Amino acid sequence: DVKVTQSSRYLVKRTGEKVFLECVQDMDHENMFWYRQDPGLGLRLIYFSYDVKMKEKGDIPEGYSVSREKKERFSLILESASTNQTSMYLCASSLAQTYNEQFFGPGTRLTVL
Amino acid sequence: GDSVTQMEGPVTLSEEAFLTINCTYTATGYPSLFWYVQYPGEGLQLLLKATKADDKGSNKGFEATYRKETTSFHLEKGSVQVSDSAVYFCALSGSTNAGKSTFGDGTTLTVKP
Repeated sequence: DVKVTQSSRYLVKRTGEKVFLECVQDMDHENMFWYRQDPGLGLRLIYFSYDVKMKEKGDIPEGYSVSREKKERFSLILESASTNQTSMYLCASSLAQTYNEQFFGPGTRLTVL
Repeated sequence: GDSVTQMEGPVTLSEEAFLTINCTYTATGYPSLFWYVQYPGEGLQLLLKATKADDKGSNKGFEATYRKETTSFHLEKGSVQVSDSAVYFCALSGSTNAGKSTFGDGTTLTVKP
């Protein structure tokens, strides 16, 4: 059974802390994505990676960075967490070719106090 | 750019009622179209998809037909169950997305016994 896993389901951090969210996929997918999901705002793309060490900004990259050192792993980094980054974070992956569906992880609910 | 417009929710139905969730899109060319479902506390999972005009995607009693002439991909189910309560997202992936997808805002469905 193919899978996208995320390191934590729930995370509580303090303002100013550096936060790492990890995502691993076992499908040998080229593309990986980080989204945040907030009530009434749908899914918003933070960053996208189409290959190892490659990244592209999404719609809301401010306050975030990413790392992709290995094909199967895509990390989202909050350099200095703020309360407005409290949200549900979803990781996804897909094959390189256009027109393909995305496979999502279970999500990490992050609370920044 | 590409866009997806979904019927606004929330939608509340009684068990065994007929369900329609409207979805229309704007895109260049011939994108693939998807419906994803998100159950409470989980990530999104693919419900069904269609890759060309007049294709019908189906899964778990849900159906949607790719209508190029009306740029629509409405989701239908003849008899909903309490277990269908979830958030439903319409999405597309096409030649201008560079591997990304465009999502609608999601429609929350609640089915009451």
